[in-house]
Amino acid sequence: DTAVSQTPKYLVTQMGNDKSIKCEQNLGHDTMYWYKQDSKKFLKIMFSYNNKELIINETVPNRFSPKSPDKAHLNLHINSLELGDSAVYFCASSQEQGGEKLFFGSGTQLSVL
Amino acid sequence: GNSVTQMEGPVTLSEEAFLTINCTYTATGYPSLFWYVQYPGEGLQLLLKATKADDKGSNKGFEATYRKETTSFHLEKGSVQVSDSAVYFCALSAPTGNQFYFGTGTSLTVIP
Repeated sequence: DTAVSQTPKYLVTQMGNDKSIKCEQNLGHDTMYWYKQDSKKFLKIMFSYNNKELIINETVPNRFSPKSPDKAHLNLHINSLELGDSAVYFCASSQEQGGEKLFFGSGTQLSVL
Repeated sequence: GNSVTQMEGPVTLSEEAFLTINCTYTATGYPSLFWYVQYPGEGLQLLLKATKADDKGSNKGFEATYRKETTSFHLEKGSVQVSDSAVYFCALSAPTGNQFYFGTGTSLTVIP
C-alpha cells in the first residue's frame, strides 16, 4: 500500500496548457506539502497545508494553485505552463508541525515543450 | 533564519571506501535534523534522524551525530556499497511552524 501517491508519474505538455497533479496520502497525516526539484536536484518547498488550511505559500507564481478538498488530498493545478516549469514535483506529508519526518511520493516529472 | 549547507558533489567512491558528507545548519531554537536519501527515479525517503544535541542517528550502516557546538550533522558510513549510489539530503525541521529546510543534495556514485 503506497503511503503517499501522486499521479501522473510523467507529464509531457505544450507551453500555455493547464495541467493538474494529484496527491493522496493514506497515513492519516494532518500536513501535506508540494516541493519542486530542479535538474540540479535542488529541492524547494512551494506550499504546505495543515488540515486543509494553507500554511506555507512560498514565492511561487500565481499560475500555481494548490487545492485541498480534504486533509488526505492536496492537488496542484498549474495554469499557462512555461518552459521553466519543467521539473520533478514531489508531494509529501507529515503527522504534525515540526519534528516529524516527511513521507514523499515518488514524484511527477513534468516536461513542458 | 533556518538553513542547511551541505558539501557539494558529485562524490565518487570505490566500493568499501569510507564516506563522509558534511552538513552544517543555522537555526532558531533547537531543530530536529535529518538525512534523506533519493534513489534514482524515486522520491526522498528518511535515512536517519536526531532530535536533540548529542543524539546519534543510524540506519543501514550510516551514522550522523547532532553536534550543537559545531552546528553540524555529518553523514558517515564505514564501507559503502554500489547500492548506496543515490542523492543524499541533509534537512532540518524547525521547532515551530511545520517547514522542513533541505540542503542542496549531494550525489554519491559508488563504483565496483
